[in-house]
Amino acid sequence: NAGVTQTPKFQVLKTGQSMTLQCAQDMNHEYMSWYRQDPGMGLRLIHYSVGAGITDQGEVPNGYNVSRSTTEDFPLRLLSAAPSQTSVYFCASSGQGLGNTEAFFGQGTRLTVV
Amino acid sequence: GDSVTQMEGPVTLSEEAFLTINCTYTATGYPSLFWYVQYPGEGLQLLLKATKADDKGSNKGFEATYRKETTSFHLEKGSVQVSDSAVYFCALRVNQGGKLIFGQGTELSVKP
Repeated sequence: NAGVTQTPKFQVLKTGQSMTLQCAQDMNHEYMSWYRQDPGMGLRLIHYSVGAGITDQGEVPNGYNVSRSTTEDFPLRLLSAAPSQTSVYFCASSGQGLGNTEAFFGQGTRLTVV
Repeated sequence: GDSVTQMEGPVTLSEEAFLTINCTYTATGYPSLFWYVQYPGEGLQLLLKATKADDKGSNKGFEATYRKETTSFHLEKGSVQVSDSAVYFCALRVNQGGKLIFGQGTELSVKP
């Protein structure tokens, strides 16, 4: 019963460094998304995917790249980290159709950029 | 565009008090509506949901009714417990790719 697994849980980066946040789900869900959570702003969508090989931008995509080569994995890449990217990042997955509207979230990655 | 507005927190209540957290939305089409809860240091968990107008979602004593005429999905609980202390998020899902749009979250603190 792994659900959605995110790694790492915590990360400190220096400005300009790059890194990849990993996300994997074992529920065979078509939809996967990345959100960032900042105080007083709820969760904002960064990128999302409707299936392997298909990705699109969300509300705050700048500074982030994604790819989806398999149904299970949806990594988020920071190419050149900036202090403004200090946040908590959540990956989520969900299925298609009205009967599968629930999104399942990972435990989050707390990222600090210094 | 689509959006969700929920009442600002923090909300502080005594144990056994009645809880209401207001949530209103704007959306094109017919969204599904959700309440998620986030306990300290954890990810988000689905609390309840409603997929069409007049549906009532309920779970763990919490309820919310999908009101299309007032575009609202207010969260209620008749008697809160200390263990209900958490941040509550109202959200809507449009059917394009399973995207969720969240309100800003309401922090609830319940005192013994």
